Amino acid sequence: NAGVTQTPKFRILKIGQSMTLQCTQDMNHNYMYWYRQDPGMGLKLIYYSVGAGITDKGEVPNGYNVSRSTTEDFPLRLELAAPSQTSVYFCASSSPGTGGFEQFFGPGTRLTVL
Amino acid sequence: AQSVTQLDSQVPVFEEAPVELRCNYSSSVSVYLFWYVQYPNQGLQLLLKYLSGSTLVESINGFEAEFNKSQTSFHLRKPSVHISDTAEYFCAVTLLAPATSGTYKYIFGTGTRLKVLA
Repeated sequence: NAGVTQTPKFRILKIGQSMTLQCTQDMNHNYMYWYRQDPGMGLKLIYYSVGAGITDKGEVPNGYNVSRSTTEDFPLRLELAAPSQTSVYFCASSSPGTGGFEQFFGPGTRLTVL
Repeated sequence: AQSVTQLDSQVPVFEEAPVELRCNYSSSVSVYLFWYVQYPNQGLQLLLKYLSGSTLVESINGFEAEFNKSQTSFHLRKPSVHISDTAEYFCAVTLLAPATSGTYKYIFGTGTRLKVLA
C-alpha cells in the first residue's frame, strides 16, 4: 500500500492564480481531511469528508473548495490564491472502524503565493 | 469546546539525556489522546495513543506517555534521547463520540520542536 499520496510536493503561485492539490489514499478509508500547517500554529482543519459525495467545512475553509467523487480521491482547490494561503498542506485519512481512530498523513504540499 | 496546549515550543536537550514534552488538554467530556511526530520535510506519523485501559502507553522507539485525568495531561517522556529523535511532536485529542456529521475531529496542539544536541 502506498498510503496517502499528495501532489505536487512544492508549488509557487502568483496572487490570483488557481490550482488543485491532489490527494489519494489506497486504504479504503471513509474519512479524509485537509489541514494547513503554519509555523507555530499547529494544524488547522480546512475541510473534511465522511465519504464519497459528502464534504463539510473545518475551522479555516475560506478561500478553498473540495470535492469527493470517489472514496480514494479528495482534491483541494484554491480559486484565487492569496499570500495568506502560503502554507504546508497535509491530507489525511482515517477509518474509525479499525486502528483506533488513527489518522494517516500524506507527505505534504509546500505552497508559496507571491 | 476542546483545546490542547503544548507550552514548550522548543526543547533543546543533549544526547542520552531524558526529556519530557508537556501536553495539557481541556474538555468537558472524555477524549482519546495521541502523540504524533513529524520529521523534517515529512508528514505526521502516529507515535502513541491512549484510548482506554492502562494510563501508561509506550511506543516502539522508547517514548512513553501517561494519561493523568485529574491533571488533564498527557506528557511525553523518553529516558534517553538520540540525535534521530530530533523532530516536531504534536499532541492531539479527539472526542470518543462522533460529531453529528459522524466524524471524529482532531484538535492538535501547536507542536514542540525537540532538538537533540551532540
